Amino acid sequence: SQQGEEDPQALSIQEGENATMNCSYKTSINNLQWYRQNSGRGLVHLILIRSNEREKHSGRLRVTLDTSKKSSSLLITASRAADTASYFCATAPYNQGGKLIFGQGTELSVKP
Amino acid sequence: ETGVTQTPRHLVMGMTNKKSLKCEQHLGHNAMYWYKQSAKKPLELMFVYNFKEQTENNSVPSRFSPECPNSSHLFLHLHTLQPEDSALYLCASSQDPRGTDTQYFGPGTRLTVL
Repeated sequence: SQQGEEDPQALSIQEGENATMNCSYKTSINNLQWYRQNSGRGLVHLILIRSNEREKHSGRLRVTLDTSKKSSSLLITASRAADTASYFCATAPYNQGGKLIFGQGTELSVKP
Repeated sequence: ETGVTQTPRHLVMGMTNKKSLKCEQHLGHNAMYWYKQSAKKPLELMFVYNFKEQTENNSVPSRFSPECPNSSHLFLHLHTLQPEDSALYLCASSQDPRGTDTQYFGPGTRLTVL
């Protein structure tokens, strides 16, 4: 079974709209991280939320974590064309050192 | 710029070649990682090094041989690869090897095996 499954796999919106991406996982975690990747390049870290946190904000980004449902969501408000990218959630399983387990990602397309 | 650099950025090699990928982090971190990203698949963790010691080998074939001479440098030596090994290889580092903090990624090496 796969840890860190994102939903939807692809999302297309207009500039100015909000984008919501969801992530589900299966095991206990230390933290959950969201990353962004532009077309075949390196990953850029967006937000880390720890298992004892429920919500975090960073600029136009809002991340929630529900450990009882083993799920997280990433909300991007007032989206811009430059937000077009793939977004990945990654879970750091409890007691497994530095291991990060990534999902398949959500491809976000923001049309001007 | 994340503070993690990778060279080369692109590499094309034949199945009988030997090549090496290099990663360097300028962040003073203690842990370094190799990931493989194939088309239509999630990133796969390959190796983890904490304080220069390998702590994770995620069932990676022996044709991939990592080397970590110090906490700032990580290499991936490649030999007799297969076409299915073509992928983006990403290096990352983190301060805490226990997995409690952010991993910072390099730009990746796009590898094509002919």
